[in-house]
Amino acid sequence: GAGVSQSPSNKVTEKGKDVELRCDPISGHTALYWYRQSLGQGLEFLIYFQGNSAPDKSGLPSDRFSAERTGGSVSTLTIQRTQQEDSAVYLCASRLDFVGTQYFGPGTRLLVL
Amino acid sequence: GENVEQHPSTLSVQEGDSAVIKCTYSDSASNYFPWYKQELGKGPQLIIDIRSNVGEKKDQRIAVTLNKTAKHFSLHITETQPEDSAVYFCAASNGHNNNDMRFGAGTRLTVKP
Repeated sequence: GAGVSQSPSNKVTEKGKDVELRCDPISGHTALYWYRQSLGQGLEFLIYFQGNSAPDKSGLPSDRFSAERTGGSVSTLTIQRTQQEDSAVYLCASRLDFVGTQYFGPGTRLLVL
Repeated sequence: GENVEQHPSTLSVQEGDSAVIKCTYSDSASNYFPWYKQELGKGPQLIIDIRSNVGEKKDQRIAVTLNKTAKHFSLHITETQPEDSAVYFCAASNGHNNNDMRFGAGTRLTVKP
């Protein structure tokens, strides 16, 4: 079946602009995660959605970052007033239920000039 | 909370040799340990996982071992091939907290032909 998809695959923007990154999780998966991966680094947790529960936003680095998950499926990560340090790969992952394996999408490579 | 450490950060082996990557975890309640492979320009992909009720699991050339007493687990790749070159991440979770999975910092494996 289809895996996790993300769009766009690459995004170049100017400092100060807002960007929106989209994640389509695996159908039926109730859990959705966003991570940030800087060049050559590990996975930095950003935000977690589980069903209709309030999201865990504890990893968001600043109030310029926000995310929504509409209808328990598609999620959008928004970065306002982008800074050069926001340049990274943004990865989305979904999980079937409360425990188990996370399945990752291919990521969105964001470059802020 | 859980803390996962991964070693080495980089590993270079000759084609045909074995590669071993080690991870330690801090939470004795952790019971699920996946390994991910991330190729250049792609998202992490699950390659093998192990649960705490077993000590070893094999899948063709890859195997994972778990020592719960010492709180460490390892990935073993035998007969390495150039296509095994990638970044490998370990992770640990206890399944009791929906957002408790923690990732190691990654190991960049290079297999030289």
